[in-house]
Amino acid sequence: GIQVEQSPPDLILQEGANSTLRCNFSDSVNNLQWFHQNPWGQLINLFYIPSGTKQNGRLSATTVATERYSLLYISSSQTTDSGVYFCAVALNTGTASKLTFGTGTRLQVTL
Amino acid sequence: GAVVSQHPSRVICKSGTSVKIECRSLDFQATTMFWYRQFPKKSLMLMATSNEGSKATYEQGVEKDKFLINHASLTLSTLTVTSAHPEDSSFYICSGGGHTDTQYFGPGTRLTVL
Repeated sequence: GIQVEQSPPDLILQEGANSTLRCNFSDSVNNLQWFHQNPWGQLINLFYIPSGTKQNGRLSATTVATERYSLLYISSSQTTDSGVYFCAVALNTGTASKLTFGTGTRLQVTL
Repeated sequence: GAVVSQHPSRVICKSGTSVKIECRSLDFQATTMFWYRQFPKKSLMLMATSNEGSKATYEQGVEKDKFLINHASLTLSTLTVTSAHPEDSSFYICSGGGHTDTQYFGPGTRLTVL
Protein backbone atom coordinates (compact mmCIF):
# COMPACT_ATOMS: atom_id res chain seq x y z
CA GLY A 1 0.00 0.00 0.00
CA ILE A 2 0.89 3.64 -0.18
CA GLN A 3 3.35 4.96 2.39
CA VAL A 4 2.99 8.43 3.89
CA GLU A 5 5.81 9.91 5.93
CA GLN A 6 5.71 13.23 7.73
CA SER A 7 8.53 15.33 9.09
CA PRO A 8 9.52 16.45 11.57
CA PRO A 9 7.86 14.02 13.98
CA ASP A 10 8.00 16.55 16.79
CA LEU A 11 8.30 20.31 16.80
CA ILE A 12 8.45 22.85 19.60
CA LEU A 13 7.97 26.51 18.71
CA GLN A 14 7.78 29.74 20.57
CA GLU A 15 4.62 31.72 19.99
CA GLY A 16 4.99 33.91 16.93
CA ALA A 17 7.41 31.64 15.09
CA ASN A 18 6.84 30.18 11.64
CA SER A 19 7.13 26.52 10.66
CA THR A 20 6.96 24.18 7.69
CA LEU A 21 5.63 20.65 7.94
CA ARG A 22 6.31 18.13 5.20
CA CYS A 23 4.37 15.14 3.90
CA ASN A 24 5.97 12.67 1.48
CA PHE A 25 3.96 9.94 -0.19
CA SER A 26 5.11 6.93 -2.16
CA ASP A 27 2.64 6.84 -5.03
CA SER A 28 0.60 9.17 -7.20
CA VAL A 29 -2.52 10.37 -5.43
CA ASN A 30 -5.67 12.19 -6.43
CA ASN A 31 -6.74 13.18 -2.95
CA LEU A 32 -4.66 14.82 -0.24
CA GLN A 33 -5.93 16.44 2.91
CA TRP A 34 -4.33 18.11 5.91
CA PHE A 35 -5.87 17.80 9.36
CA HIS A 36 -5.17 19.20 12.80
CA GLN A 37 -5.96 16.88 15.70
CA ASN A 38 -6.53 18.99 18.76
CA PRO A 39 -5.58 17.84 22.29
CA TRP A 40 -9.11 16.40 22.76
CA GLY A 41 -8.76 14.17 19.72
CA GLN A 42 -11.00 16.01 17.26
CA LEU A 43 -9.70 16.08 13.70
CA ILE A 44 -10.20 19.45 12.07
CA ASN A 45 -10.08 19.85 8.33
CA LEU A 46 -7.43 22.30 7.20
CA PHE A 47 -7.04 21.80 3.47
CA TYR A 48 -8.15 19.58 0.64
CA ILE A 49 -5.19 20.01 -1.68
CA PRO A 50 -4.33 17.27 -4.19
CA SER A 51 -2.29 19.83 -6.11
CA GLY A 52 -1.45 23.51 -6.11
CA THR A 53 -1.41 26.07 -3.32
CA LYS A 54 -4.07 27.25 -0.93
CA GLN A 55 -4.12 29.73 1.93
CA ASN A 56 -6.43 30.16 4.87
CA GLY A 57 -5.42 32.87 7.31
CA ARG A 58 -2.09 32.00 8.93
CA LEU A 59 -2.02 28.60 7.29
CA SER A 60 -1.13 27.73 3.75
CA ALA A 61 -0.39 24.49 1.92
CA THR A 62 1.33 23.47 -1.27
CA THR A 63 1.22 20.10 -2.97
CA VAL A 64 3.64 19.16 -5.74
CA ALA A 65 1.94 16.04 -6.97
CA THR A 66 4.58 15.19 -9.57
CA GLU A 67 7.24 15.09 -6.85
CA ARG A 68 4.95 13.39 -4.32
CA TYR A 69 5.10 15.82 -1.46
CA SER A 70 3.02 18.43 0.29
CA LEU A 71 3.98 21.23 2.65
CA LEU A 72 1.95 22.91 5.36
CA TYR A 73 3.08 26.36 6.45
CA ILE A 74 2.11 27.83 9.78
CA SER A 75 2.94 31.49 10.29
CA SER A 76 2.88 33.50 13.51
CA SER A 77 2.11 30.38 15.52
CA GLN A 78 -0.21 30.54 18.52
CA THR A 79 -0.62 28.21 21.48
CA THR A 80 -3.94 27.08 20.01
CA ASP A 81 -2.01 25.65 17.06
CA SER A 82 -0.66 22.93 19.36
CA GLY A 83 -1.67 19.38 18.55
CA VAL A 84 -0.88 16.82 15.89
CA TYR A 85 -0.93 17.58 12.20
CA PHE A 86 -1.72 14.78 9.80
CA CYS A 87 -1.72 14.58 6.07
CA ALA A 88 -3.85 11.88 4.52
CA VAL A 89 -3.92 10.66 0.94
CA ALA A 90 -6.09 8.54 -1.30
CA LEU A 91 -5.54 7.13 -4.74
CA ASN A 92 -9.07 7.99 -5.77
CA THR A 93 -11.36 10.95 -5.48
CA GLY A 94 -14.91 10.85 -4.18
CA THR A 95 -16.52 10.43 -0.80
CA ALA A 96 -15.84 6.70 -0.81
CA SER A 97 -12.11 7.07 -1.24
CA LYS A 98 -10.11 5.43 1.55
CA LEU A 99 -7.61 7.71 3.23
CA THR A 100 -4.15 6.60 4.33
CA PHE A 101 -2.86 8.76 7.13
CA GLY A 102 0.68 9.93 7.55
CA THR A 103 2.80 9.46 10.62
CA GLY A 104 1.94 12.91 11.97
CA THR A 105 3.84 15.92 13.29
CA ARG A 106 3.30 16.74 16.94
CA LEU A 107 3.50 20.51 17.43
CA GLN A 108 3.82 22.30 20.74
CA VAL A 109 3.68 26.08 20.78
CA THR A 110 4.97 27.67 23.97
CA LEU A 111 4.61 31.19 25.33
CA GLY B 1 -18.24 22.23 6.96
CA ALA B 2 -20.16 19.03 7.55
CA VAL B 3 -20.70 17.85 11.11
CA VAL B 4 -20.26 14.31 12.39
CA SER B 5 -21.16 13.28 15.92
CA GLN B 6 -20.19 10.21 17.92
CA HIS B 7 -21.75 8.73 21.00
CA PRO B 8 -20.59 7.97 23.59
CA SER B 9 -17.48 10.13 23.82
CA ARG B 10 -16.02 7.90 26.49
CA VAL B 11 -16.90 4.43 27.74
CA ILE B 12 -15.45 2.11 30.32
CA CYS B 13 -16.59 -1.49 30.34
CA LYS B 14 -15.69 -4.83 31.84
CA SER B 15 -13.88 -7.48 29.87
CA GLY B 16 -16.30 -9.73 27.99
CA THR B 17 -19.03 -7.16 27.46
CA SER B 18 -20.04 -5.60 24.14
CA VAL B 19 -19.98 -1.89 23.43
CA LYS B 20 -21.82 -0.01 20.69
CA ILE B 21 -20.54 3.27 19.28
CA GLU B 22 -22.80 5.46 17.13
CA CYS B 23 -21.64 7.75 14.37
CA ARG B 24 -24.08 10.25 12.90
CA SER B 25 -23.78 12.71 10.04
CA LEU B 26 -25.81 15.67 11.25
CA ASP B 27 -26.15 17.85 8.18
CA PHE B 28 -25.39 15.59 5.25
CA GLN B 29 -26.14 12.13 3.99
CA ALA B 30 -23.30 9.63 3.89
CA THR B 31 -23.52 6.61 1.64
CA THR B 32 -20.10 5.65 2.89
CA MET B 33 -18.62 6.13 6.34
CA PHE B 34 -15.28 4.98 7.71
CA TRP B 35 -14.11 3.67 11.06
CA TYR B 36 -10.60 4.28 12.34
CA ARG B 37 -8.66 3.22 15.37
CA GLN B 38 -5.94 5.28 16.98
CA PHE B 39 -3.48 4.14 19.65
CA PRO B 40 -1.84 6.69 21.94
CA LYS B 41 0.59 8.93 20.09
CA LYS B 42 0.06 7.00 16.87
CA SER B 43 -1.59 7.69 13.57
CA LEU B 44 -5.09 6.70 12.51
CA MET B 45 -5.53 3.22 11.09
CA LEU B 46 -8.50 2.47 8.87
CA MET B 47 -10.50 -0.46 10.22
CA ALA B 48 -13.42 -0.70 7.82
CA THR B 49 -15.58 1.00 5.27
CA SER B 50 -19.24 1.17 6.20
CA ASN B 51 -21.65 1.06 3.27
CA GLU B 52 -25.29 2.07 3.65
CA GLY B 53 -27.54 -0.89 3.05
CA SER B 54 -24.78 -3.41 2.52
CA LYS B 55 -22.01 -5.21 4.34
CA ALA B 56 -18.99 -3.39 5.61
CA THR B 57 -15.60 -3.88 4.00
CA TYR B 58 -12.86 -4.65 6.51
CA GLU B 59 -9.17 -3.89 6.18
CA GLN B 60 -6.70 -6.73 6.33
CA GLY B 61 -6.13 -7.93 9.86
CA VAL B 62 -9.36 -6.52 11.30
CA GLU B 63 -11.67 -9.20 12.73
CA LYS B 64 -15.13 -8.66 11.31
CA ASP B 65 -16.73 -10.80 14.01
CA LYS B 66 -15.07 -8.70 16.70
CA PHE B 67 -15.94 -5.33 15.19
CA LEU B 68 -19.51 -5.41 13.89
CA ILE B 69 -20.50 -2.53 11.66
CA ASN B 70 -24.03 -1.61 10.68
CA HIS B 71 -24.94 1.27 8.38
CA ALA B 72 -28.70 1.29 8.68
CA SER B 73 -29.37 4.71 7.20
CA LEU B 74 -27.67 7.50 5.30
CA THR B 75 -26.97 9.32 8.57
CA LEU B 76 -26.09 6.55 11.01
CA SER B 77 -23.35 3.95 11.23
CA THR B 78 -22.64 1.88 14.34
CA LEU B 79 -19.57 -0.02 15.47
CA THR B 80 -20.06 -2.76 18.05
CA VAL B 81 -17.01 -4.13 19.79
CA THR B 82 -18.08 -7.63 20.81
CA SER B 83 -16.71 -9.45 23.84
CA ALA B 84 -14.30 -6.61 24.47
CA HIS B 85 -10.91 -7.28 26.03
CA PRO B 86 -8.26 -4.90 27.36
CA GLU B 87 -6.36 -4.99 24.05
CA ASP B 88 -9.44 -3.46 22.38
CA SER B 89 -8.98 -0.32 24.45
CA SER B 90 -8.35 2.50 22.01
CA PHE B 91 -9.65 5.72 20.49
CA TYR B 92 -12.22 4.99 17.78
CA ILE B 93 -13.03 7.65 15.19
CA CYS B 94 -15.57 7.66 12.38
CA SER B 95 -15.73 9.81 9.29
CA GLY B 96 -17.97 10.51 6.37
CA GLY B 97 -18.06 12.62 3.26
CA GLY B 98 -20.84 14.79 1.91
CA HIS B 99 -20.96 15.72 -1.72
CA THR B 100 -17.30 16.70 -1.85
CA ASP B 101 -14.06 14.74 -1.70
CA THR B 102 -13.36 15.98 1.83
CA GLN B 103 -13.74 13.62 4.76
CA TYR B 104 -15.27 14.96 7.98
CA PHE B 105 -14.47 13.32 11.26
CA GLY B 106 -16.38 12.68 14.44
CA PRO B 107 -14.92 13.69 17.81
CA GLY B 108 -13.95 10.12 18.65
CA THR B 109 -14.86 7.60 21.33
CA ARG B 110 -12.36 6.56 23.95
CA LEU B 111 -12.92 2.93 24.94
CA THR B 112 -11.34 1.50 28.06
CA VAL B 113 -11.82 -2.19 28.78
CA LEU B 114 -11.01 -3.28 32.31
